[in-house]
Amino acid sequence: EAGVTQFPSHSVIEKGQTVTLRCDPISGHDNLYWYRRVMGKEIKFLLHFVKESKQDESGMPNNRFLAERTGGTYSTLKVQPAELEDSGVYFCASSQGTGGVDTQYFGPGTRLTVL
Amino acid sequence: GQNIDQPTEMTATEGAIVQINCTYQTSGFNGLFWYQQHAGEAPTFLSYNVLDGLEEKGRFSSFLSRSKGYSYLLLKELQMKDSASYLCAVRDQGTGANNLFFGTGTRLTVIP
Repeated sequence: EAGVTQFPSHSVIEKGQTVTLRCDPISGHDNLYWYRRVMGKEIKFLLHFVKESKQDESGMPNNRFLAERTGGTYSTLKVQPAELEDSGVYFCASSQGTGGVDTQYFGPGTRLTVL
Repeated sequence: GQNIDQPTEMTATEGAIVQINCTYQTSGFNGLFWYQQHAGEAPTFLSYNVLDGLEEKGRFSSFLSRSKGYSYLLLKELQMKDSASYLCAVRDQGTGANNLFFGTGTRLTVIP
């Protein structure tokens, strides 16, 4: 079974440009999460989808970040316009959402560098 | 707010046992997870505790005391491949449906 995949693995852009990150969750997982790790800090929650609906977006830094999950399958996270402080590793995770342990399985992350 | 503390770095010898501690203060509690992350790779799930006590899974065990806000991950018979970062994460029932709050991770180096 394929794990969580993310594209691209690395992205280097200039301040003011737009970048779109993509996440493909494990097939059949209703829950999809975005997290971010800024250098030297802990992994922090950004938002949580249940199918195509945003369940919790309390961690989104500001309105330059837009996440979508049309059709309830893959998700995109767009940063527009990017700022220097947006640099970091963006992780996506998915879980079945059936209660109990409901383990979150992580992708390898997208390393974003804003120059 | 959420506060999760774990040591930044640890070093241990191949074949030995190492214990990585994690303390937490969260507004709610709905389980504690340990993940392993090798550099440049995805965090991978190791263990889950929601009730007090010890959960054993092969060479890895995890312990939880909810009254003390404390957990540890125990790695036995250390192997070189165990060199990685170990992330403690708490699922906080109070704030969201399922999101995790992470510590900064403990970088474990296993030496021959």
